[in-house]
Amino acid sequence: GAGVSQSPSNKVTEKGKDVELRCDPISGHTALYWYRQSLGQGLEFLIYFQGNSAPDKSGLPSDRFSAERTGGSVSTLTIQRTQQEDSAVYLCASSLVQGAPTEAFFGQGTRLTVV
Amino acid sequence: GNSVTQMEEPVTLSEEAFLTINCTYTATGYPSLFWYVQYPGEGLQLLLKATKADDKGSNKGFEATYRKETTSFHLEKGSVQVSDSAVYFCALVNTNAGKSTFGDGTTLTVKP
Repeated sequence: GAGVSQSPSNKVTEKGKDVELRCDPISGHTALYWYRQSLGQGLEFLIYFQGNSAPDKSGLPSDRFSAERTGGSVSTLTIQRTQQEDSAVYLCASSLVQGAPTEAFFGQGTRLTVV
Repeated sequence: GNSVTQMEEPVTLSEEAFLTINCTYTATGYPSLFWYVQYPGEGLQLLLKATKADDKGSNKGFEATYRKETTSFHLEKGSVQVSDSAVYFCALVNTNAGKSTFGDGTTLTVKP
């Protein structure tokens, strides 16, 4: 596609339920990031995928959070047993890392509300 | 490890005022440096970038110069407009690692 696509754009879920957020990166981009942005806050790094390397999971806040990237393309961020503090906008970005890395291209985000 | 520090306090200016948002970084090697902008209700988008020391990135009247000696990449604009109101993020990419590191963002509000 022309840009990074995230779905759904909005998600309201009940506390304790599991949710899956999807990211379709720009075709050919080898790097994929997930970030979280709470209201009025900066970007909180969650996880980074680069090619076939082991993902950098250092930003995942708890073991309720996990992510996978299938076939080096689409990524899914899963939050189990959601809590109210998980409410935020979840942003996905991709970039091309081939020689000199390029800028990250961001999706519009998924706004998650846990009620 | 890599890190980016930018002024976190919100900035409020009157239209046509001069803008500076400070950004300093810590990185190994020779990173590429970026400024991203997030307009209200929108996603982040690249504003400008510089890939080596002394390079100046520019776009939409904004400028930033890659200063290796002071490890800085301050964002400047000579005359801001109301439409510049947004959150600005400084970032770096370490060439070796390929992973982007972002600052915490600075909110700019321009009043007419």
